[in-house]
Amino acid sequence: GAVVSQHPSRVICKSGTSVKIECRSLDFQATTMFWYRQFPKQSLMLMATSNEGSKATYEQGVEKDKFLINHASLTLSTLTVTSAHPEDSSFYICSARGGSGRKYTEAFFGQGTRLTVV
Amino acid sequence: SQKIEQNSEALNIQEGKTATLTCNYTNYSPAYLQWYRQDPGRGPVFLLLIRENEKEKRKERLKVTFDTTLKQSLFHITASQPADSATYLCALDERTGNTPLVFGKGTRLSVIA
Repeated sequence: GAVVSQHPSRVICKSGTSVKIECRSLDFQATTMFWYRQFPKQSLMLMATSNEGSKATYEQGVEKDKFLINHASLTLSTLTVTSAHPEDSSFYICSARGGSGRKYTEAFFGQGTRLTVV
Repeated sequence: SQKIEQNSEALNIQEGKTATLTCNYTNYSPAYLQWYRQDPGRGPVFLLLIRENEKEKRKERLKVTFDTTLKQSLFHITASQPADSATYLCALDERTGNTPLVFGKGTRLSVIA
C-alpha cells in the first residue's frame, strides 16, 4: 500500500501560538487529502477535505480561519492551528485517497500528531 | 439521521478464539465498507474492503461479511493472538473516488493470553 507521512508526531505549544502539521504522500500523488481530529476513545471526526490547488472544504462547525489548510502540491498538505488554545489539544490525523493514474479505494493515514496546548 | 454503530466499545477474548466485531449502519447506501486497525497513538491502517455486491471477503486470519439487507458487517479474526489487540474501526464509503470515509467509534479488542 501507499505511505503517508505526518510530521511532527508530538508537539507542545503555548496558548496563543500557531502550529503547523505536515502530511506527505510519499509514493503516490494524492489528489485529495483529509484532516481528522480524534478525542480519546472517540471516532475520527472529519475536519476538512483538501484538494490540490484549490480551497479546502470544511465540515460544519470547523473554523476555517483557525484551522488553515494548504494543499499546494500533489504530495503535501498542511494544517496550521492558529492561535491555539488548550481546547485545541487533540490527536490530528491526515489521510489520503485516490491518486492520479492509480486509484486507491482504501484510505492511507499518517501517523497522527498529538497536539498539547499549555 | 445517519448512524454507524459498532456495538461493542470493548471486547475481551481468550487467545486462540475467534473474535467477532459488528458494524451496523442506518440511512447510508455504501458502495464499500472498509475495516481499519488503529493502535494507541497511531493512525488507522487499512485491513479489508468489501463491496456492496460481495457477501464475504477473506485475508489470512481475517474475514469480513457484508449484508446490505441487514445493513450490517461482521469482522472476524480467527485464531486470535495477543498481537491482534487494538481498536478496529469500520468505515463506510458511499461513493467511489476521492470522498471522505465515515467512521464508526471503533471496538477495542483485547486478546488475553
